Amino acid sequence: GAGVSQSPSNKVTEKGKDVELRCDPISGHTALYWYRQSLGQGLEFLIYFQGNSAPDKSGLPSDRFSAERTGGSVSTLTIQRTQQEDSAVYLCASSPVAGQGRLFFGEGSRLTVL
Amino acid sequence: DAKTTQPPSMDCAEGRAANLPCNHSTISGNEYVYWYRQIHSQGPQYIIHGLKNNETNEMASLIITEDRKSSTLILPHATLRDTAVYYCIALSNSGGYQKVTFGTGTKLQVIP
Repeated sequence: GAGVSQSPSNKVTEKGKDVELRCDPISGHTALYWYRQSLGQGLEFLIYFQGNSAPDKSGLPSDRFSAERTGGSVSTLTIQRTQQEDSAVYLCASSPVAGQGRLFFGEGSRLTVL
Repeated sequence: DAKTTQPPSMDCAEGRAANLPCNHSTISGNEYVYWYRQIHSQGPQYIIHGLKNNETNEMASLIITEDRKSSTLILPHATLRDTAVYYCIALSNSGGYQKVTFGTGTKLQVIP
């Protein structure tokens, strides 16, 4: 596609359920980032992928959060046993070159945990 | 990465120039200044970046001081659609991994 695609755009789930959020980066982009944005807050870095490896997972808030990337393309962010404080917009961005500051963002996945 | 500081909010009259400042006093010689904006409920959008020369594109102009310790993003004729949060970040373009972190930015309100 022309841009970064994220799905689902909206997800409502019950506390304790697992959720998967998907990111399709721009074709050929080697770097991929996940961010979280709570209501009225700034962007919180979660994890960075270079190819399929994640050299920086320092932003993942707990062991309930995990992410993977396959084929150097699609990435999935998984949240296990969701809590209400996980409610936020999860944003994915890709970049054609590792370490370059020009990121292309998707429109985000809005997660609501009831 | 160099830390950047921005005012939390600014107002600008529609049709006037919006000048958004950013302080990056600890920026190193190989770090570029990048600007992004985030319109409500959308993903952040790249605006412009520069190293030491002033830059202009179809969206904005970027003025970087000679000592590179600060910069200003200029929207020459602000419209209501420019109401957004504007983020200034400083990053090296030398390759290799670097964490790209966004601060809290400046919330620009364009007033009719």
